[in-house]
Amino acid sequence: AQSVTQLGSHVSVSEGALVLLRCNYSSSVPPYLFWYVQYPNQGLQLLLKYTTGATLVKGINGFEAEFKKSETSFHLTKPSAHMSDAAEYFCAVSRIGGSQGNLIFGKGTKLSVKP
Amino acid sequence: KAGVTQTPRYLIKTRGQQVTLSCSPISGHRSVSWYQQTPGQGLQFLFEYFSETQRNKGNFPGRFSGRQFSNSRSEMNVSTLELGDSALYLCASSLGSGQETQYFGPGTRLLVL
Repeated sequence: AQSVTQLGSHVSVSEGALVLLRCNYSSSVPPYLFWYVQYPNQGLQLLLKYTTGATLVKGINGFEAEFKKSETSFHLTKPSAHMSDAAEYFCAVSRIGGSQGNLIFGKGTKLSVKP
Repeated sequence: KAGVTQTPRYLIKTRGQQVTLSCSPISGHRSVSWYQQTPGQGLQFLFEYFSETQRNKGNFPGRFSGRQFSNSRSEMNVSTLELGDSALYLCASSLGSGQETQYFGPGTRLLVL
């Protein structure tokens, strides 16, 4: 069975500081990994995804994530936080060869950005 | 292209009633997935439809059902509503042929009183 653990339900950073949101996954087969962002009263927007190939994945809005198989991690980073980054972030996993339709999500991390 | 649309955006029902939510995918997308989002349980997969057939199903009771039409539009139905069904219901569409990106709609917020 697959699962996702996001460490820290709330993370607060100052504007301009490094953003680090942690995600660890459990999967008995090679996973596909995703980060989504959700702004208040909106749906989910894909930030980036890892399928195969390069383990460092760059996404939108300056975010990137690195797939580390040995650590079963897929942490999301951004060098310099902006006020507009305040939102809830979800890490998700799906099974290679399976339909992406059944994504398994972590509980989410709310990011606050202080001026 | 227009994004994924969901109607209605907000809904208030009482216990025991039933409700139907609608999702129109992005033009050309054949896969539609439904998710339930609650503060306690987070985001949980309900089911996925592809070419009018249910392709995957999550762990929800039979009160939750769905269908997909030939134009890929999808509906989900919840019968005999319970207080715990109050949630944001999200629909996502994709081409459906592989591991392509899922695009989410804004959701329907259901409140059961």
